[in-house]
Amino acid sequence: DQQVKQNSPSLSVQEGRISILNCDYTNSMFDYFLWYKKYPAEGPTFLISISSIKDKNEDGRFTVFLNKSAKHLSLHIVPSQPGDSAVYFCAASAMGGTSYGKLTFGQGTILTVHP
Amino acid sequence: DADVTQTPRNRITKTGKRIMLECSQTKGHDRMYWYRQDPGLGLRLIYYSFDVKDINKGEISDGYSVSRQAQAKFSLSLESAIPNQTALYFCATSDFTSGSTDTQYFGPGTRLTVL
Repeated sequence: DQQVKQNSPSLSVQEGRISILNCDYTNSMFDYFLWYKKYPAEGPTFLISISSIKDKNEDGRFTVFLNKSAKHLSLHIVPSQPGDSAVYFCAASAMGGTSYGKLTFGQGTILTVHP
Repeated sequence: DADVTQTPRNRITKTGKRIMLECSQTKGHDRMYWYRQDPGLGLRLIYYSFDVKDINKGEISDGYSVSRQAQAKFSLSLESAIPNQTALYFCATSDFTSGSTDTQYFGPGTRLTVL
C-alpha cells in the first residue's frame, strides 16, 4: 500500500528551464509535506516543506504547490541548474493517527539537468 | 563536523552473521529513526524512537532490532543477516518539540551487502 507515490522515476531537463516533480498521496490524514534531495553517497537533505493550511511555499528557486482536493503536490525548480541533478523524494506526515511522528516517502525521481 | 554520523559507511558480510549499524547525533534531538533504501522503493521505516525509553516498530521491522543507548545514540542490529537485507541504511533525527513539525535530518548512510 504505497501511500505516497512519485510516478515518474526520472526527469531530464535543460539548464535554465523549469523542472517540475510530482507527487501524489492517498492518506487524507497527511497534513505536512516535505521534499528531500539526495546526492549519491550522501544522505537525503531537507529542501522545502509545506503545511496543509497553505497551497504554496517558496524558497529561492524552489516552490512547492499543494492541491489538497487532488491529493497532489509538486516541486518547481526555476531555473534548473546542473547542480540540481539528484534524486528527489517527497514525504508526508500527519499530526494524528498511525502516521503521527513518522514520514512516509515516495519512491523518488531522478532529476538530470543537462548543461 | 557532521550532525548525524553513521558507522560503518560500508560493510560486506555473510549470510547468518550478526551485524550492528551505529548512529550518533549532536543535534540534541529526542527522536531518532532507521530507514532502508532500495531501488524503486524509496525510504522505508524500520524502527523509530521518540525518546530513550520509547522504541517503536516501523513498516519493515522483521529481522531487525534496535537499541537506544542514550539520547544521542541509536543502533540497528541484524541478528542473522540475509541477502535481501542488502540495502542502503539511513539514520535520521528530528526535533518535534520545537514546533517545526516533522522535518528529519539524515546521516550519510551505510551501504550493507549480505553475501
